[in-house]
Amino acid sequence: DQQVKQNSPSLSVQEGRISILNCDYTNSMFDYFLWYKKYPAEGPTFLISISSIKDKNEDGRFTVFLNKSAKHLSLHIVPSQPGDSAVYFCAASKTGTASKLTFGTGTRLQVTL
Amino acid sequence: GAVVSQHPSWVICKSGTSVKIECRSLDFQATTMFWYRQFPKQSLMLMATSNEGSKATYEQGVEKDKFLINHASLTLSTLTVTSAHPEDSSFYICSATDRSFNYGYTFGSGTRLTVV
Repeated sequence: DQQVKQNSPSLSVQEGRISILNCDYTNSMFDYFLWYKKYPAEGPTFLISISSIKDKNEDGRFTVFLNKSAKHLSLHIVPSQPGDSAVYFCAASKTGTASKLTFGTGTRLQVTL
Repeated sequence: GAVVSQHPSWVICKSGTSVKIECRSLDFQATTMFWYRQFPKQSLMLMATSNEGSKATYEQGVEKDKFLINHASLTLSTLTVTSAHPEDSSFYICSATDRSFNYGYTFGSGTRLTVV
């Protein structure tokens, strides 16, 4: 039972353009969401998070949008850079404090020149 | 920022042997440690959660006698894969949080286990 899904396994975007990565969840108890960037054989690197009391959070080139009614969140990266090429995972938890994370299936982002 | 050091980064072992993976929090007290496993091109799947000084809580389908977790101190947690088999070959990652969630989830760099 995959409670967090990323329906696009891969995405290719031109440098300078916007990258939009999507994530859907089924468990309405999730109230804290995170995005991670990951390279093969390395641990995930935290990018940005959002609590369910917000619908948007921005940090530099990264913005996360949360639509609770649709159980959908998205990560926008603008402008995209070649160094952004990696696998991106969304993750969800039921509380923001020391609760286990449920990861999505991942989206491989390729930023081309 | 908070750092979790995970060792070894890769290990090859023979079937039937045991392998120990260590995760150390370098600058904070890891009151909770999560252990994940990732198969190639798949998601990170939580195996177990451990709180310092307590027995680990295992996710459904994860054999607690095969994947031994020790979290005896606030800076060290270990995962021992006992009697390893080729199907245990995977990428194992730990993640730690402190009591107040001051640093969020801090991940180790992962361990690539290959059982031959």
